Amino acid sequence: QLQLQESGSGLVKPSQTLSLTCAVSGGSISSGGYSWSWIRQPPGKGLEWIGYIYHSGSTYYNPSLKSRVTISVDRSKNQFSLKLSSVTAADTAVYYCATQRGSFDYWGQGTLVTVSS
Amino acid sequence: EIVLTQSPGTLSLSPGERATLSCRASQSVSSSYLAWYQQKPGQAPRLLIYGASSRATGIPDRFSGSGSGTDFTLTISRLEPEDFAVYYCQQYGSSPETFGQGTKVEIK
Repeated sequence: QLQLQESGSGLVKPSQTLSLTCAVSGGSISSGGYSWSWIRQPPGKGLEWIGYIYHSGSTYYNPSLKSRVTISVDRSKNQFSLKLSSVTAADTAVYYCATQRGSFDYWGQGTLVTVSS
Repeated sequence: EIVLTQSPGTLSLSPGERATLSCRASQSVSSSYLAWYQQKPGQAPRLLIYGASSRATGIPDRFSGSGSGTDFTLTISRLEPEDFAVYYCQQYGSSPETFGQGTKVEIK
């Protein structure tokens, strides 16, 4: 069974870049069948899909965030990453990585990122 | 973008009762690409239902999904103590993928 684990900085200053990594175990990120996704949830609020990357390397982003988001994959480390630039307090959220085959099947535990000076 | 509206916002029920949660889409969801998730405090969401009516692996049969087009329903036939949580619907028939705002099922 696939397992995902997020890691990265929990505190980011306004205008800087948020960087997170999702380590995948129990399967290869290079195998087909899944997209590798990021989703976020502001404290006390609902879920927002950020974007995903296919095993081929193709990426798809939420238009509301597209200008600030980059998702990439490191096959040698079996992990994928999220970068979100020019962050503001509105980007404070729990960030989840997940596998996606349409629906989001497997989720990481989530990591809280706070944007504050 | 397809907007999903869930109702009610909060459902107050007792263990053993039946829960009926609604998810209405602003446009038709193609091929019934609609999923339901359960989220408990401090935990990641868990996939319950995909394709509007197919249970995910390991999900008890007291959970069932139905609907098509713009109207979808999640039914919990008899609430167990562990079922009190927040439930989200999500559509993946049209990009961007979107979620509903959630329905909280609380103990009455």
